[in-house]
Amino acid sequence: GENVEQHPSTLSVQEGDSAVIKCTYSDSASNYFPWYKQELGKGPQLIIDIRSNVGEKKDQRIAVTLNKTAKHFSLHITETQPEDSAVYFCAPGGGTSYGKLTFGQGTILTVHP
Amino acid sequence: DGGITQSPKYLFRKEGQNVTLSCEQNLNHDAMYWYRQDPGQGLRLIYYSQIVNDFQKGDIAEGYSVSREKKESFPLTVTSAQKNPTAFYLCASSFNGGGDQPQHFGDGTRLSIL
Repeated sequence: GENVEQHPSTLSVQEGDSAVIKCTYSDSASNYFPWYKQELGKGPQLIIDIRSNVGEKKDQRIAVTLNKTAKHFSLHITETQPEDSAVYFCAPGGGTSYGKLTFGQGTILTVHP
Repeated sequence: DGGITQSPKYLFRKEGQNVTLSCEQNLNHDAMYWYRQDPGQGLRLIYYSQIVNDFQKGDIAEGYSVSREKKESFPLTVTSAQKNPTAFYLCASSFNGGGDQPQHFGDGTRLSIL
């Protein structure tokens, strides 16, 4: 199955700073790379995703970059705000594990006002 | 609104009791999933179903059972064989079961032991 590692496990920044979370995966056949945000007591929600034919995708303050050769993709949040505080998960898919997804262990992001 | 509905929000289990968690979706998605989340942990896959009347074990299926008799419903039963059932349970669906589509999650059921 897919081995997924997510770093860092916790990240603390000041409001207005940038935050970067990295996800490394093992299955070279993976072709779908999403990031999910989970707020306290809620289910995760997709915030941005990218497919293997694209190197970077941006949506306002968030962006995802993909390095297929090195098998990692990263979430970038610029101009962080307190409401960005949450747990973020990656879950690379579309590879040989088919529907059996493996989620990263999560990154707790805290944005201090 | 389209989405995933999980019920109940909180559930308590007595020793030796089976309990069933409900998950319904009106997104017309083929695939549905059950995950377990322990405090400070990631999501671990219990069972998944790529199509009606079919399902597969995930990484931690022991002590759990599911059924998929209708496209919109994927109930999870936590049996008495699951010795440590206290956790946050999340249901999700996706357009297909290939792993290359976004997953839509419900807001979870928190299960505790009485």
